[in-house]
Amino acid sequence: EAQVTQNPRYLITVTGKKLTVTCSQNMNHEYMSWYRQDPGLGLRQIYYSMNVEVTDKGDVPEGYKVSRKEKRNFPLILESPSPNQTSLYFCASSLSFGRGRAFFGQGTRLTVV
Amino acid sequence: GQQLNQSPQSMFIQEGEDVSMNCTSSSIFNTWLWYKQDPGEGPVLLIALYKAGELTSNGRLTAQFGITRKDSFLNISASIPSDVGIYFCAGKPSYGNKLVFGAGTILRVKS
Repeated sequence: EAQVTQNPRYLITVTGKKLTVTCSQNMNHEYMSWYRQDPGLGLRQIYYSMNVEVTDKGDVPEGYKVSRKEKRNFPLILESPSPNQTSLYFCASSLSFGRGRAFFGQGTRLTVV
Repeated sequence: GQQLNQSPQSMFIQEGEDVSMNCTSSSIFNTWLWYKQDPGEGPVLLIALYKAGELTSNGRLTAQFGITRKDSFLNISASIPSDVGIYFCAGKPSYGNKLVFGAGTILRVKS
């Protein structure tokens, strides 16, 4: 089944404790991206990747890192999480940017206390 | 970052009514996408639009890519309870590689 898989689905952590949210897709998609969703703000892009080893900042990259060493995986790293990073995070992938259906993961709800 | 203005913010309608929502931008977009998000799930693509003036239907849903390339609308005809959710517009600006999302329209249906 074609899908984007995020882990974990839920995470509560403390300020400053490094964490990684994994994202994996099984569709051989080139384009992958991370979004955060906050009430009243819709989805805001954190980082995106056009292909392996090609990543770039979205609209809200501060406090986040990503890597794209393999086509299928695009982990989101929070080196030192802060409470303002409490949010619902989505990973998405598509065949290439702009065209084709974008598949979203089920989301990761992160709470930083 | 670039913003899309999506309206209305929320709607509470009677089952069977038609629904209309729209998105506008201050700059030109090459692609418009409409997504629906159910509670606890990621957004799912409903309709994709790639050309100015394009009108596309998906069942009871119809969306149009505005002639000016700065707006798009989504219509839902004869709403049913399972239409409940958050609807997002998204667009690809004529420059850059980012996909920009609207803030969403929360749709509630009274049966």
